[in-house]
Amino acid sequence: DVKVTQSSRYLVKRTGEKVFLECVQDMDHENMFWYRQDPGLGLRLIYFSYDVKMKEKGDIPEGYSVSREKKERFSLILESASTNQTSMYLCASSPGTSITDEQFFGPGTRLTVL
Amino acid sequence: GQQLNQSPQSMFIQEGEDVSMNCTSSSIFNTWLWYKQDPGEGPVLLIALYKAGELTSNGRLTAQFGITRKDSFLNISASIPSDVGIYFCAGPNYGGSQGNLIFGKGTKLSVKP
Repeated sequence: DVKVTQSSRYLVKRTGEKVFLECVQDMDHENMFWYRQDPGLGLRLIYFSYDVKMKEKGDIPEGYSVSREKKERFSLILESASTNQTSMYLCASSPGTSITDEQFFGPGTRLTVL
Repeated sequence: GQQLNQSPQSMFIQEGEDVSMNCTSSSIFNTWLWYKQDPGEGPVLLIALYKAGELTSNGRLTAQFGITRKDSFLNISASIPSDVGIYFCAGPNYGGSQGNLIFGKGTKLSVKP
């Protein structure tokens, strides 16, 4: 069974803290993605990676960075958390073989920044 | 750029009713994907459509790939409480890197027992 796991389901941090959100997939997928989900705004792509050590900006990369040192792991980093980064964060992966590839999602991390 | 417009934004229905929602675009898509997100979980793929005019069923769910390639519809028959969630349509981002999807903003479904 395909699986994408995220390190935390719920996280509470303080303004200015450095925050790491971890995502691991066990499907040997090439592509990995980080989205943010807010009510009424749908899924917005923050960053994605199509290979180890490769990354590309999505639609809303400001205030975020990512790291992909190993194929199975994709980390989202908030260098200095702010209250407007309170949101649900979803990680996804896809095989990378076709433009129509299905994306497989993790359960999400609900981050609250106080 | 490419954009997917979903309607309605939300629906409140009685258990047993049929549900219909749609997704439209100003540009052509060659693939339509429908995802469901249960409360507190990540989205899961329900149905994938690859051919204009295609009608595909998955249990009580039926999805259609519009003949113009600019729209898709998802129908749920005889709704039950576990149908509650957010339904997203998605399609390939042809202007972006391979594997990127564009998502609609979602239709939030509430079912009253």
